[in-house]
Amino acid sequence: QKEVEQNSGPLSVPEGAIASLNCTYSDRGSQSFFWYRQYSGKSPELIMSIYSNGDKEDGRFTAQLNKASQYVSLLIRDSQPSDSATYLCAVNRGAAGNKLTFGGGTRVLVKP
Amino acid sequence: KAGVTQTPRYLIKTRGQQVTLSCSPISGHRSVSWYQQTPGQGLQFLFEYFSETQRNKGNFPGRFSGRQFSNSRSEMNVSTLELGDSALYLCASSLAGGAYEKLFFGSGTQLSVL
Repeated sequence: QKEVEQNSGPLSVPEGAIASLNCTYSDRGSQSFFWYRQYSGKSPELIMSIYSNGDKEDGRFTAQLNKASQYVSLLIRDSQPSDSATYLCAVNRGAAGNKLTFGGGTRVLVKP
Repeated sequence: KAGVTQTPRYLIKTRGQQVTLSCSPISGHRSVSWYQQTPGQGLQFLFEYFSETQRNKGNFPGRFSGRQFSNSRSEMNVSTLELGDSALYLCASSLAGGAYEKLFFGSGTQLSVL
């Protein structure tokens, strides 16, 4: 079992729809969770962070965390073609220092 | 505020050679991490430096090493290059490397080993 798992996609959504991305992790001691967006040929860009159970909203993005189920999700509302990218889920297991474990990423395609 | 700067942007080397990559973190950031990204393995953690000390290390062979200078700039070195070392090497920085800190990535160095 991989430490952080994501569906590789592609997740195809029409423009204006909601894209729903899921991520599961194996280490119950994980403390912080991040979503990165990576365009082809570019470096990862942080879009959301979440640390406690529940929802966190930032613009068109909502991150959801359920530690009991070891599950993190990202919702993208009103999806735009510019949202077409690979979305990476990353987990910090809480040891001293900064060591992120990444999922394999979900490719999202927003079709006009 | 300048972002994380990595040099060079592209590198082509041959098997057996060694390579050094450089990273300048965001001003004020003292934690620098290195990641390797390949199509097959995705993003994998190499190591993290803070205050010139390696604080965390991933599961990579000893051919991969790094260091951090007093101004927080960091270098990573790969010796005796193998074809499988071809990858995008990403440097990331954060303030002090805490579990709740946000990590900011540089543009990466694309290494090709022939």
